[in-house]
Amino acid sequence: DTAVSQTPKYLVTQMGNDKSIKCEQNLGHDTMYWYKQDSKKFLKIMFSYNNKELIINETVPNRFSPKSPDKAHLNLHINSLELGDSAVYFCASSPGGGETQYFGPGTRLLVL
Amino acid sequence: GQSLEQPSEVTAVEGAIVQINCTYQTSGFYGLSWYQQHDGGAPTFLSYNALDGLEETGRFSSFLSRSDSYGYLLLQELQMKDSASYFCAVVNQGGKLIFGQGTELSVKP
Repeated sequence: DTAVSQTPKYLVTQMGNDKSIKCEQNLGHDTMYWYKQDSKKFLKIMFSYNNKELIINETVPNRFSPKSPDKAHLNLHINSLELGDSAVYFCASSPGGGETQYFGPGTRLLVL
Repeated sequence: GQSLEQPSEVTAVEGAIVQINCTYQTSGFYGLSWYQQHDGGAPTFLSYNALDGLEETGRFSSFLSRSDSYGYLLLQELQMKDSASYFCAVVNQGGKLIFGQGTELSVKP
């Protein structure tokens, strides 16, 4: 009965590659998010979608492209991976105003 | 700009009470949320304050003073399993969460 799930859990890849992370929520929430957590545990929002529409787009390199095929799914595609992209990426969902967000287990990305 | 300040680490003993403070500077403030994150785990929601005052949920309480741009998380009857990182987060327009740097709480026996 996983509420917010992400795949893969771990991702090790070479610089310059392109990779995708998938996220699904079965909570019926309208809003989904992508966060990046760096090695110092700093959590920063990247994107937010409400019912398949992009509503938050932080200052993120355009190598990162989110895609929401439906309101239960939010995927993140990363082109031309760089060393600095190594981090834990969390997906989250929220029923309404965003004050209560439910996080997925995270995807640990390591770029070599 | 937007910024949040919280202590980087706090140590306490089992059974004690600990308070983690958070001050913030932001525009478009809607409320203050608190999240707990164990090592290797995901952030989990603890509480949310939109109005001034104290909100209590079991052993955890959260307080907000909008006029002082200040809040705190109070953890009572500390248990070893409470050892984790605690994040305050400002909720802005559009449901955007701006997180603090986190406070690492160590509970000792």
